Amino acid sequence: DADVTQTPRNRITKTGKRIMLECSQTKGHDRMYWYRQDPGLGLRLIYYSFDVKDINKGEISDGYSVSRQAQAKFSLSLESAIPNQTALYFCATRGQGGNQPQHFGDGTRLSIL
Amino acid sequence: KQEVTQIPAALSVPEGENLVLNCSFTDSAIYNLQWFRQDPGKGLTSLLLIQSSQREQTSGRLNASLDKSSGRSTLYIAASQPGDSATYLCAVRAAGTYKYIFGTGTRLKVLA
Repeated sequence: DADVTQTPRNRITKTGKRIMLECSQTKGHDRMYWYRQDPGLGLRLIYYSFDVKDINKGEISDGYSVSRQAQAKFSLSLESAIPNQTALYFCATRGQGGNQPQHFGDGTRLSIL
Repeated sequence: KQEVTQIPAALSVPEGENLVLNCSFTDSAIYNLQWFRQDPGKGLTSLLLIQSSQREQTSGRLNASLDKSSGRSTLYIAASQPGDSATYLCAVRAAGTYKYIFGTGTRLKVLA
């Protein structure tokens, strides 16, 4: 089983719908991150969390919200989806210690029509 | 504001060739730099992480170097193989932050 699991892997939905993307991890890491990847723009940080109920904004948090109710789970919500939120979304984890590497899930491909 | 650039965007080489991928960053005050590999439809796999106090890191056929003063890192791949075909990304963590800034990647194709 993957250490960092994202669900769903693919989602197509309509403008205005509420969407939740889930991330769970078995690595025991306290740090978790949500990124989006767009062609030509690289990965950009949406939100990150260092512990249960700790939430921090990244570069592009507008239009998104997150929840960290358990150490192993970090969910990303789009309250009212819009087409320019169509992207590939990645969850990542990292252990304590400044020089621990990030570990990524396989991503969720989200299309908003 | 830290910016990370990877040139070229794409590269094709014959199997067996040694190659170098480049990563440039604008602010030398970094905490560490990480190289990743991304396969189509997959997430990022961490290859090497270089701390700001280090000059290089090695793992198998991969060697990553860091020159903070010039704002550059290189990823050297020895004796390339078709299985090395993927997109390679670098990410910089700026000093005093918990955020990583990613480059847009170099798409590598190793021809058999």
